[in-house]
Formats: sequence, C-alpha cells, structure tokens
Amino acid sequence: RKEVEQDPGPFNVPEGATVAFNCTYSNSASQSFFWYRQDCRKEPKLLMSVYSSGNEDGRFTAQLNRASQYISLLIRDSKLSDSATYLCVVSWASKIIFGSGTRLSIRP
Amino acid sequence: NAGVTQTPKFQVLKTGQSMTLQCAQDMNHNSMYWYRQDPGMGLRLIYYSASEGTTDKGEVPNGYNVSRLNKREFSLRLESAAPSQTSVYFCASSEFGGPTNEKLFFGSGTQLSVL
Repeated sequence: RKEVEQDPGPFNVPEGATVAFNCTYSNSASQSFFWYRQDCRKEPKLLMSVYSSGNEDGRFTAQLNRASQYISLLIRDSKLSDSATYLCVVSWASKIIFGSGTRLSIRP
Repeated sequence: NAGVTQTPKFQVLKTGQSMTLQCAQDMNHNSMYWYRQDPGMGLRLIYYSASEGTTDKGEVPNGYNVSRLNKREFSLRLESAAPSQTSVYFCASSEFGGPTNEKLFFGSGTQLSVL
C-alpha cells in the first residue's frame, strides 16, 4: 500500500465549478501536510500547507482530519488557470512523500 | 539567486552505463531529496539527506546511490543504468525545522532516457 494515496482523476469540470480532492495517508506519525501543484511535468510548486484547524487561501480551502488520516483540498469558482496536477504531500522525520497526483482540467 | 541547480537537464544512456546527477543549493538548507517521476505518476522518493553527513533510503532506492558531499551538494549515481530508470529526476531541498520550514525548493529536473 502506498503511504500517500490520491484519486488519480482526471477531473474535468466547467469554469466556475467547485471541485474537491481527497488524499489519505498511512503513517500515523505524519507531522506536516501540504498540497503542491504541478504543471506539465515541470517542478512542483507549493500551493498551501494544511493545518489541523483547516485553512483557506482565496478560492482554496484545505482540511486535515488526523483521526481518519485524511486531507482534502477544495477549489471554489475554478478558473482555466487551475488546470494542473494537484499533489498531496505528507512528511515525517525529514521524509517527504508525494501522492501520485490528481489531474484537473477546467473547460470553458 | 540560483536556488536549486540540477545538472544535466537531459541525458541519454545505454543500458549498463553509469552516470551521476548533480544537485546544489545555495539556500543553506539542511535537507535534500532526490525524486523520480514516471508518466502519470507522482514523485517517488529515491533517497534523502536530512542533514550533512546523513543519507536515508526513500520509497524506491534500488539501483541508486547518493552522496551528500557537503551541505550544498547532493548527488545521485546510477551505477549500471537500466531502461526501468528512464524517468524525470527532481532534486529538492528544504530547511526542515518545523511546519513552516518544510517547503520544498525544486531543481528544474533531469530527463533521463536509458536505451
């Protein structure tokens, strides 16, 4: 079993839609959680960190449920520019593990 | 401000050849990482170095060796390349000292093809 699992998608949604991604992790010792965005096999870029209390950055909301070992990302009012692969990332003791990514395509 | 510099950008090898991918960071980061990414997949951790002088295996270490030459440099060596090692390789670094310091800074990647 992979340590970090994501629905691979692809998700194909119209502009303006709300889309949600889920991620589960297997190591209960995991300390930190992130969402990264990757465009066309370029290097991934940090989208946002995920905190236990949940956090929001503009149209993006991230949630963490430590009891269920589950992370989510919600994108509201999606834009064409949101088309990318979204990677769930979990870390513990300097080890940083990526999920396999969820591909999102926004159509006009 | 270079950040993470990774060389080469492209490489073609024949099966059985060896090569070393070089990575250097100028941000005084403690931790460095090597990942590989195959088509349709996320990044898989090959090896990492939590601090100068230490290295640890990641998810897919077989067929690779690493050297943390100093705090700046972390190299990845393929001793006998195999077609299964055809991939895009990313080097990354992180301060890693707490939740606010774990952002990964990536190099631009190496496209490696093994024929």
